[in-house]
Amino acid sequence: AQTVTQSQPEMSVQEAETVTLSCTYDTSESDYYLFWYKQPPSRQMILVIRQEAYKQQNATENRFSVNFQKAAKSFSLKISDSQLGDAAMYFCAYRSYGSGTYKYIFGTGTRLKVLA
Amino acid sequence: DAGVTQSPTHLIKTRGQQVTLRCSPKSGHDTVSWYQQALGQGPQFIFQYYEEEERQRGNFPDRFSGHQFPNYSSELNVNALLLGDSALYLCASSFGGAGANVLTFGAGSRLTVL
Repeated sequence: AQTVTQSQPEMSVQEAETVTLSCTYDTSESDYYLFWYKQPPSRQMILVIRQEAYKQQNATENRFSVNFQKAAKSFSLKISDSQLGDAAMYFCAYRSYGSGTYKYIFGTGTRLKVLA
Repeated sequence: DAGVTQSPTHLIKTRGQQVTLRCSPKSGHDTVSWYQQALGQGPQFIFQYYEEEERQRGNFPDRFSGHQFPNYSSELNVNALLLGDSALYLCASSFGGAGANVLTFGAGSRLTVL
């Protein structure tokens, strides 16, 4: 069974600085998807970025980028030029590629605090 | 364009009671998934509905059941409530075709069982 581990329960970053959130996963599959979701106090989970395992190029979305290391089963999220609005819980998630399995497996989350 | 809407936002029940939570998917989406998020934890997959059928189920007891209607909206029912059922219940919709099925989440229904 696949597992997702986020070993940093809480992180802090100064406004305008850069922070990296860690995520590791365990799987025997070769094709899968990885995601980072943000959950602000409003509770609604918002997709930040996604990565297809078959793509070697790391995904980027504006100030958000990932460092995907397939062999190490690592998927970290880098937030550049941090803003107060980035403060939230961040969840790493895994989804198998093949048909017949549709569930997302989430980590336990990292709470990000942004200091003014 | 309305996103995923859930109701009610908060509710309080007592042990042994039954609860029904409702979800309307994002326009254009035909698949609904339900997740349970306990306090301080990540969401856990309950089940997914597609074409009015349960397509996949997580490790939840039969007390948890669901339904999907022809308009793609969905309900989550929980019978014989336990204290441990207290959680945020998240509904997520997606397009059921092949691909990443990127989930769009609602704001959740906070259930407290006393």
